[in-house]
Parts: sequence; C-alpha cells; structure tokens
Amino acid sequence: QVQLQESGPGLVKPSETLSLTCTVSGGSLSGYFWSWVRQPPGKTLEWMAYIYDTANTDRNPSLRSRLSISIDTSKSQFSLRLTSVTAADTAVYYCVRHKASDRGSYDYWGQGILVTVSS
Amino acid sequence: IQLTQYPSSLSASVGDRVTITCRASQGVSSYLSWYQQKPGKAPQLLIYAASTLQSGVPSRFSGSGSGTDFTLTISSLQPEDFATYYCQQLNSYPRTFGQGTKVEIK
Repeated sequence: QVQLQESGPGLVKPSETLSLTCTVSGGSLSGYFWSWVRQPPGKTLEWMAYIYDTANTDRNPSLRSRLSISIDTSKSQFSLRLTSVTAADTAVYYCVRHKASDRGSYDYWGQGILVTVSS
Repeated sequence: IQLTQYPSSLSASVGDRVTITCRASQGVSSYLSWYQQKPGKAPQLLIYAASTLQSGVPSRFSGSGSGTDFTLTISSLQPEDFATYYCQQLNSYPRTFGQGTKVEIK
C-alpha cells in the first residue's frame, strides 16, 4: 500500500521560505507523476506543481515565480520550496500521487501538514 | 478553467438521492474527477474520467457528463457520506477544483 507523508515546519515567518518534503513508502517514485496541492482554511483545493523527473515539471502560473519542486528518487522523496511567503500561503499542504492511467487524478494523498505563516 | 459547483451546500436525510452539479467555464471533454473530503482528512478520489468509479468506492456513487456539465449522484445517502465534495478538471494545466459542495444531515 502506497503511503505519503509530508514533513516540514508548521510555522513560517512572513517573507521567509517554506520548505516541505514528501516521503513515499510502499511504492516507487519512478514511473509516476507527483504533485503538491494546498487548501487554505475553509477554502477549496489548489494545485501547485507536479514533477515526474527533474526534466519534467510544471508549476501553477499563479505561484511560478516563487515555487520550485524537486525529486530525490534515492530517498523516495519529493520536495516543495515556496519563497517570500505571506499570510495568504497559510494552508494545509498535501502531497499526492497521480494515477498511472486516466489523466492523472490523485489516487493517493498524504495526511496533509498545516503550515501557518505568522510572525 | 473555472469550475462552479451547485449547490454550495445541501441538507439531506439518510436514504435520499443526492445530485451535485459541476459546470466548467470551457469544455473539458470527459476529463473530470470527483473527490470526497471529510473534516480534518485528505480528499479521496471517488470518480475519474467523469463516470469511472475508483476502486473500492461504493456503487451508490455515480458520475455523468461531458464537455461543460457534470453531475455526481449518490443514489442512497449513507451516514458516512456526509462530507464535502469537489470536482476537478484534468483537461489542461493548471488543474483546477470547484469550490466544493458540503452535504449535511437534515
């Protein structure tokens, strides 16, 4: 059974950088697309970025200038880095796996990590 | 692509038939998925490709539609179905979600 686990700080100061890591167990990173999705409190979900390998990534245009995504298959991890955070970046951040078939619906989700941006 | 769900919330009783609508601002073919989210939990995939049931999802859930108009139907609402439901388009990037429909107990 594939499991995803987000890790990182739960509190980040405004203007600083938010860094999160997703560790995947029970399956391989190779051959799948992986994404980060976030959800501000009481709001809907927002796709942030995906990665397949280091050469195949994409980011939401609304975040592109501040966002980077990377992968380390040797550690079964992929990571997110969001710079110059503000209170608007306060959200639960989920890492997800895309289905191998279909157009990449998200069939496995991490439990989510709440990140609060506050001084 | 903007997705608008109707209604934003609804109250229903156990055993009721419930229908939720998702309308896309432009055609997404059949590239639409539905997710269920319970409070404090991650969303779970229910339906993909507009009408295909994800493995393990009860058959009382069904989806239909193509182009711009889609529906999620729960044929007989069960206590564990009270949750918020989201549609997502997979036709193009950036992937987008509807604002959600909260199904509450009447």
